[in-house]
Amino acid sequence: GAVVSQHPSWVICKSGTSVKIECRSLDFQATTMFWYRQFPKQSLMLMATSNEGSKATYEQGVEKDKFLINHASLTLSTLTVTSAHPEDSSFYICSARPQGHEQYFGPGTRLTVT
Amino acid sequence: AQTVTQSQPEMSVQEAETVTLSCTYDTSESDYYLFWYKQPPSRQMILVIRQEAYKQQNATENRFSVNFQKAAKSFSLKISDSQLGDAAMYFCASLSGTYKYIFGTGTRLKVLA
Repeated sequence: GAVVSQHPSWVICKSGTSVKIECRSLDFQATTMFWYRQFPKQSLMLMATSNEGSKATYEQGVEKDKFLINHASLTLSTLTVTSAHPEDSSFYICSARPQGHEQYFGPGTRLTVT
Repeated sequence: AQTVTQSQPEMSVQEAETVTLSCTYDTSESDYYLFWYKQPPSRQMILVIRQEAYKQQNATENRFSVNFQKAAKSFSLKISDSQLGDAAMYFCASLSGTYKYIFGTGTRLKVLA
């Protein structure tokens, strides 16, 4: 089956630093990748959509300068949280779409900013 | 705009019994898909079942089935013979031409031994 990985699974960083999260499709090429944020006991909120080789499209209210997304290849997208603050602490999930409507989710990354 | 509503924050079911999770949606699209995802404590999103809107027949996957009422914009999930491993958060979601998932707020399912 289609597998999506995320790295790291858990990261702790200090306030003011930047942290990068990778999302990889392991056995398929992803036309589109999506980044979600999930607060405890809440639903997934779409942050942005990224297509390989083009700029990401951010959802309303998401700061594009804070959450930098790079879709460098058909199997890799990265989310960089710049100048992280404690309120950025959350669970970040990516999904990847090969073709058609099906999407496959990564296992998520827990970010803790101290 | 698309919306997905799950009105049951939490449900409980006795092991081996049947439970139904409710979901309503709203969309102006004529072509769309509906999904139920399970999120266990590991937080990995697991696809439970999906339904193409153009199909009248309700989708079924082993112990999981849906009741898709297109006119009423309702998409409920029935879990038969509930097992302890079914305990999780369940999210209803819709997907249309933009390929963006719209998730409901989730229903936490507890399975009682």
